[in-house]
Amino acid sequence: GAVVSQHPSRVICKSGTSVKIECRSLDFQATTMFWYRQFPKKSLMLMATSNEGSKATYEQGVEKDKFLINHASLTLSTLTVTSAHPEDSSFYICSARDRGSGHTQYFGPGTRLTVL
Amino acid sequence: GQQLNQSPQSMFIQEGEDVSMNCTSSSIFNTWLWYKQDPGEGPVLLIALYKAGELTSNGRLTAQFGITRKDSFLNISASIPSDVGIYFCAGFYSTNKLIFGTGTLLAVQP
Repeated sequence: GAVVSQHPSRVICKSGTSVKIECRSLDFQATTMFWYRQFPKKSLMLMATSNEGSKATYEQGVEKDKFLINHASLTLSTLTVTSAHPEDSSFYICSARDRGSGHTQYFGPGTRLTVL
Repeated sequence: GQQLNQSPQSMFIQEGEDVSMNCTSSSIFNTWLWYKQDPGEGPVLLIALYKAGELTSNGRLTAQFGITRKDSFLNISASIPSDVGIYFCAGFYSTNKLIFGTGTLLAVQP
């Protein structure tokens, strides 16, 4: 089946630094990738939709200057958390839509971000 | 915004018992999906439903897309310890965005 990877799986950083998270579709092309955020014992909340070669679409309440998204190729999207603060600590999960199979979305294993 | 409500919020059962959980929405959805998430992992797709009334099975799992297109249920038969996790329903309310339910935590005691 289709595989989506995320890197890193865990990251701990100091407040004020920026952190980049990569999401890759390993064996399929993804024109659209999605970034979700999940707090402990809560559901996944869609942050933004990342389209290859164009600007990301952010959900209401998500700061685009805070969470920079780049979808440079059909297999890679990156999320950069800029000037991270402790309240940005969360589990970030990406998903990728296989352009060859309609709406099917495959999820990555997630990245645990801890901001000290 | 769109919201999917799941119930129950959590379940604590004995191994071998059957489980049922459901998901409701105030809006019509075109596709219902059920995912399972293990701690520290991303969600894994269990069952996808594409038509109102559709009943689909995947091993011990069975899910149905409600006739009104505003609800869905997931049944797990003869539960085993590895069924432990959080189960999420999800649906597409437009062609592009997948919205997740509030989740049902399942604990199975051997």
